[in-house]
Formats: sequence, structure tokens, C-alpha cells
Amino acid sequence: QKEVEQNSGPLSVPEGAIASLNCTYSDRGSQSFFWYRQYSGKSPELIMSIYSNGDKEDGRFTAQLNKASQYVSLLIRDSQPSDSATYLCAVKIGGGSYIPTFGRGTSLIVHP
Amino acid sequence: NAGVMQNPRHLVRRRGQEARLRCSPMKGHSHVYWYRQLPEEGLKFMVYLQKENIIDESGMPKERFSAEFPKEGPSILRIQQVVRGDSAAYFCASSPRETNEKLFFGSGTQLSVL
Repeated sequence: QKEVEQNSGPLSVPEGAIASLNCTYSDRGSQSFFWYRQYSGKSPELIMSIYSNGDKEDGRFTAQLNKASQYVSLLIRDSQPSDSATYLCAVKIGGGSYIPTFGRGTSLIVHP
Repeated sequence: NAGVMQNPRHLVRRRGQEARLRCSPMKGHSHVYWYRQLPEEGLKFMVYLQKENIIDESGMPKERFSAEFPKEGPSILRIQQVVRGDSAAYFCASSPRETNEKLFFGSGTQLSVL
């Protein structure tokens, strides 16, 4: 059973702080990793993807991947109230499997 | 360029009725994924289709659920004889090719079974 685990939260941070969202996965063959943001009542949208160990930065977002520990995280710097949403981690195994497996998501609340 | 279009946005059915959910992928996309989302839960994969082919239906319940993506027209997710446990948000996503890393999601259909 391929699992993607996330703490459901909510994670509450003050405006301007760094929000750290974590995700672990069970299948060592996983090759592609994604973070989607989903506002309440809306559809998920891709915000970051990462494929190799290390950090990948895009504006205020940094994705971190550690394949040895089967761990992927998302850091949001200078958090804004508009970042309040559910963040879904998704993993693709590759090697012929094209189906992303999603975690249950972490609810982030950024309070002014 | 229109995004992924799903309709209806909200669908109410009584137990035992049929539900038909429609998804038109983005222009140029020939790959469609259906996911189901329950409150406080993540997206659960149901089925992956290309035009006229079901590629992977490992997430579909064996009974009452079916999906198609005809050569012409939208993809259809069909639920026969709905039960209250079918109440959920159903999301469709599309991509231009099977190895494309990014999925584009529709707004979803909220199915409520009375």
C-alpha cells in the first residue's frame, strides 16, 4: 500500500513567520513530489514540484526533499493571511505509474 | 483558454438514483484523472483515462461506478444506485500527456445523496 502521510493540523502561524509543512511517503521508488494548495471550497492548484534531493526555491516557497528519509517539506517564508489554505503533498512513483498519490493535507492558518 | 470544466457544480440525488458527473479537459489535453475527496481527507484516486481508453481504474469501486472518455465529448463518471456514502466532492484533472507532471484540476462536483 503506497502511503503519503501529512499532519492534518491545523498549523497556525503569525503573519510574517515561516510556515513549515511536512510529508512522508512509504514507497522508496517514488520519483516525483508535488505540493498543491487548496483553498476552502476550491480546486487544488500546483505550487511546487521537486525531483531530486535538496532544496528548490520559488519566491517565498521552498520545497525540500530527502529521499533517504522519505521526507518532503514545504517552507513558506513571510507567511501572509492569503496563504491560509490546505496544502496537499502528492507523490508519483514513476516507472510506468502516472498516478499521483495525495496525502490528506495540512491546514495552514496565518493570523494577522 | 478555458480550464478544466466540470458540471454540475452541485448535484443532489436520492438514494438509488443515478449520478452523472461531466468533465471537459483543457484544450489540447487528452488525459483525464478522477479523484474523490471526503471532508477532512485528501484526494483519493479513482480512474485514469485517455480518449476511448481506461488506463487505470484501480481506485474505482467494483460495483456501481463506471467512467468513460469518448472520442468526442466530455469524460463521464457515472454512479448507479447512489448511497449516502457516495456523498463527496469529485474532482477531475487533466494533463496533455501521460508523463506530464502537472495536473490541472476542475472546480469539482459536490454530490449530496439524501
